[in-house]
Amino acid sequence: DTGVSQDPRHKITKRGQNVTFRCDPISEHNRLYWYRQTLGQGPEFLTYFQNEAQLEKSRLLSDRFSAERPKGSFSTLEIQRTEQGDSAMYLCASSAGNNEQFFGPGTRLTVL
Amino acid sequence: AQSVTQPDIHITVSEGASLELRCNYSYGATPYLFWYVQSPGQGLQLLLKYFSGDTLVQGIKGFEAEFKRSQSSFNLRKPSVHWSDAAEYFCAVAPGLNYGGSQGNLIFGKGTKLSVKP
Repeated sequence: DTGVSQDPRHKITKRGQNVTFRCDPISEHNRLYWYRQTLGQGPEFLTYFQNEAQLEKSRLLSDRFSAERPKGSFSTLEIQRTEQGDSAMYLCASSAGNNEQFFGPGTRLTVL
Repeated sequence: AQSVTQPDIHITVSEGASLELRCNYSYGATPYLFWYVQSPGQGLQLLLKYFSGDTLVQGIKGFEAEFKRSQSSFNLRKPSVHWSDAAEYFCAVAPGLNYGGSQGNLIFGKGTKLSVKP
């Protein structure tokens, strides 16, 4: 299957720890998006890459959050000094240009 | 600011009954419109999309949606629901006029959870 994959699927961490998530997009998709979904809400946009360039960041993305896409392929999302409010599902999507976004299964983060 | 409203948090229908899920958007111009479905443990799957042209859009799994500019609505319909349709449904918009040059990030509603009675 060549869909969008995310790793890990679940992460439990203690408050104050750093966590990193990985997203592997569909190959040759030049755009990659990160969204966050909390319980009872729809996904909210966090940031977006076109190839390796990070072109847009939501104000939801505090200074504790950083995302990279070093070679224009996979991407990582790091959260430093996690807080309980960071508990959510983190979704990755990719697209070929401005076409349909294909979503991965998500990484569920629980901060204790 | 752009926003999407899905007025129904939870809907229960009987298997075989018809379904309509409501979606209203707030945007200055005609946006690009989408319906996604999310099953437990699964990623979001695109059901259908509207960019322009015919306002009645056909999607996968027997779903359709109708864009009504005057009502700023994009309601999702299915004539006969199957038990496997039980899931959460999200309506989303993306900036239309600038879509080709913008980041194209999606703005989602809060979702409608569909339960199907046997």
